[in-house]
Amino acid sequence: EAGVTQFPSHSVIEKGQTVTLRCDPISGHDNLYWYRRVMGKEIKFLLHFVKESKQDESGMPNNRFLAERTGGTYSTLKVQPAELEDSGVYFCASSQVRPGEQFFGPGTRLTVL
Amino acid sequence: GQQVMQIPQYQHVQEGEDFTTYCNSSTTLSNIQWYKQRPGGHPVFLIQLVKSGEVKKQKRLTFQFGEAKKNSSLHITATQTTDVGTYFCAGRVVGGSQGNLIFGKGTKLSVKP
Repeated sequence: EAGVTQFPSHSVIEKGQTVTLRCDPISGHDNLYWYRRVMGKEIKFLLHFVKESKQDESGMPNNRFLAERTGGTYSTLKVQPAELEDSGVYFCASSQVRPGEQFFGPGTRLTVL
Repeated sequence: GQQVMQIPQYQHVQEGEDFTTYCNSSTTLSNIQWYKQRPGGHPVFLIQLVKSGEVKKQKRLTFQFGEAKKNSSLHITATQTTDVGTYFCAGRVVGGSQGNLIFGKGTKLSVKP
């Protein structure tokens, strides 16, 4: 069974540019989550999809972040325009059962210069 | 906001010594999960605890959930070099979103052979 995949693995952009991160969950997992870990801090929840619907987006920092999951399969997280404080590792996770085990992807390391 | 405090932040042990990491929440948790992240890797689910006072074992790992469901611990007996990594606890707050995991900052374990 293929795991959660994320693309790209690394992204280096300049402040003000746009970046789009992609996550492909495990096939059949309706629940998809985005998290972010800023250097030295805890992993923070960003949002949760159930299929194509946003179930909880309380962790999204501001309106520069836009997450989509059209068709309920893969998801994208767009940051526009990127700021220095957006640097960190963005993890995607998926689960079959909502309160159960979450399977994490390898993460995308975003560096904003 | 709601927080899960995790201590210690770092732990260096000699191979064969025991190791314990502790998590404490300011609010009652509906459940708590533990994850392990190897250096350069991503969080991998270890276990979920749901019941007050629950104790679960996985080989040399013992997980506990406090009676008040506000704290939890992970104990490793006779550490091995393969135990190296960062251990995270992640809890769900009672009445909170089913998808929103609140992570501790993690305990980074190094094991000297």
